[in-house]
Amino acid sequence: EPEVTQTPSHQVTQMGQEVILRCVPISNHLYFYWYRQILGQKVEFLVSFYNNEISEKSEIFDDQFSVERPDGSNFTLKIRSTKLEDSAMYFCASRRAGQPQHFGDGTRLSIL
Amino acid sequence: KQEVTQIPAALSVPEGENLVLNCSFTDSAIYNLQWFRQDPGKGLTSLLLIQSSQREQTSGRLNASLDKSSGRSTLYIAASQPGDSATYLCVPGGGSSNTGKLIFGQGTTLQVKP
Repeated sequence: EPEVTQTPSHQVTQMGQEVILRCVPISNHLYFYWYRQILGQKVEFLVSFYNNEISEKSEIFDDQFSVERPDGSNFTLKIRSTKLEDSAMYFCASRRAGQPQHFGDGTRLSIL
Repeated sequence: KQEVTQIPAALSVPEGENLVLNCSFTDSAIYNLQWFRQDPGKGLTSLLLIQSSQREQTSGRLNASLDKSSGRSTLYIAASQPGDSATYLCVPGGGSSNTGKLIFGQGTTLQVKP
């Protein structure tokens, strides 16, 4: 069964550095999402992406964040200047129209 | 704005018990509802998906029901096992957002003791 793939599984970065989290959605999916989960807290929506543009973003998704689908297969989340509070598990998800979202296994981001 | 509440927040039971996890959500204009399982530090495993037109779904020892109009869903786990220990998340899909974003609650953390 096709699945959403996220890399790396764990990323350690110095505060202030840029980080790019990568996701390969399921190939025939058109809707893409990023969520994050701070340790011990609930999963929070960050951004949704459709037709090569952001369709909705949360209050968390400020100017430090950006998303891109650079080559038709990858879907990336960039954090420009990381802060300690960006440490979290980041989940990518994708879906087809009218179908439920499929989640990747997540990338654990640790900011030092 | 969709809000999800799961009761109880935590549950500890002896192996073999049947148990019910409760979920309520405020925006009943949903397309579907999923129950996920999350092990500590791990990703989200989809357990059951109920479409808004359905009342329940079953998979093995799991049965989920949906009462869309009242904004409630329950997950029934029969003959619980230690391997069922995890956090269970009820996630309604759709609602007033037309982008399909999912809103998660805190979940119910289940511990099944041998």
